[in-house]
Amino acid sequence: GENVEQHPSTLSVQEGDSAVIKCTYSDSASNYFPWYKQELGKRPQLIIDIRSNVGEKKDQRIAVTLNKTAKHFSLHITETQPEDSAVYFCAASKGNTDKLIFGTGTRLQVFP
Amino acid sequence: NAGVMQNPRHLVRRRGQEARLRCSPMKGHSHVYWYRQLPEEGLKFMVYLQKENIIDESGMPKERFSAEFPKEGPSILRIQQVVRGDSAAYFCASSPGTGELFFGEGSRLTVL
Repeated sequence: GENVEQHPSTLSVQEGDSAVIKCTYSDSASNYFPWYKQELGKRPQLIIDIRSNVGEKKDQRIAVTLNKTAKHFSLHITETQPEDSAVYFCAASKGNTDKLIFGTGTRLQVFP
Repeated sequence: NAGVMQNPRHLVRRRGQEARLRCSPMKGHSHVYWYRQLPEEGLKFMVYLQKENIIDESGMPKERFSAEFPKEGPSILRIQQVVRGDSAAYFCASSPGTGELFFGEGSRLTVL
């Protein structure tokens, strides 16, 4: 079955710096790659996603890149703010109704 | 359009008791997924259901755990004879069948 690895497990940055989180997946049939943000005690919230027919997607300060050949995808947050502090999870699925398999999470801390 | 509704938000049970967690999907969503999250860990897939059908239960423990999504009413995750290791947050997510999962606020089970 699908296996998703995520690095780093913790990431500390200064406010205004960029943050990059990387994930790799094992199942070449996976074609949907969302990213979720989870604040302490809250539900995971979808922040951005990408499908395998594109290589990059951007939404304001957040961007995701996908390399299908290498089977890895990354989340990029620019101009980080303290409110970006949370745990971020990557995930992969074969799309549509298939279950999402999550990475182990990255705890991002943004220091003012 | 209300989000995914889960109840109870917090549940305390003694070892050997039963826990029932309920999930009402977003309006128009017919796909329901249950995930378990241990403290400081990621989201582990448990089961995927559509109305009256279990589609994928590959993540469900073989004993004591069961799930249903009846024709009428919410989806229910049932844990019989709970043990301390069952203490976790149980998240339900629903989907319109396009890949995106929308999570509820979770049910936090504590087993004494």
